Amino acid sequence: SYVLTQPPSVSVAPGKTARITCGGNNIGSKSVHWYQQKPGQAPVLVIYYDSDRPSGIPERFSGSNSGNTATLTISRVEAGDEADYYCQVWDSSSDNYVFGTGTKVTVL
Amino acid sequence: QLQLQESGPGLVKPSETLSLTCTVSGGSISSSSYYWGWIRQPPGKGLEWIGSIYYSGSTYYNPSLKSRVTISVDTSKNQFSLKLSSVTAADTAVYYCARREFTTVTSPPGFDYWGQGTLVTVSS
Repeated sequence: SYVLTQPPSVSVAPGKTARITCGGNNIGSKSVHWYQQKPGQAPVLVIYYDSDRPSGIPERFSGSNSGNTATLTISRVEAGDEADYYCQVWDSSSDNYVFGTGTKVTVL
Repeated sequence: QLQLQESGPGLVKPSETLSLTCTVSGGSISSSSYYWGWIRQPPGKGLEWIGSIYYSGSTYYNPSLKSRVTISVDTSKNQFSLKLSSVTAADTAVYYCARREFTTVTSPPGFDYWGQGTLVTVSS
């Protein structure tokens, strides 16, 4: 089955840039979606189809996808960005939605 | 504003069937524009997609759960439901219902609306 690997944690100072990676075999050929999940809350879609932002999501959130790595970038990080982040793809070979292992972003 | 609300027992005994319902308000489950799905999250762990359903009743499931999962839709009540049979402690999780847009492209979109989630514990 298809596996998506994320770093367990990323730490970033306020105002700096956080980059969260999502690794998968030839993930660049797939469409990647990203979710933010704060403690005790449901996930929120922050990026879809690699780099599109839903309405209401700040422009500080951006995404890219190439080769074996997709990346979620959070610019000018704020305290409110502290959360778990998950990537997701559709694996057509198994007809299965696959989520990444998740990354906890800590704002220092 | 679209809202999804999960409901059902918070405690299920091992080997029994877990049953949950998602009630959709602020929109019609009969819209041809959306699929409706279930996702779960064991305590302290990551997300796992369970399955999805279209208003017509067309379903698709996570292959690892397919033998135990049934998702159905009741358009008259604007609800869809999850049944997971033969549960064990490993099925203890927060269960979310969610929506994603219908698309004809090979790569479906992400889930843009989620319920608040409901914790189901499997224990005797």
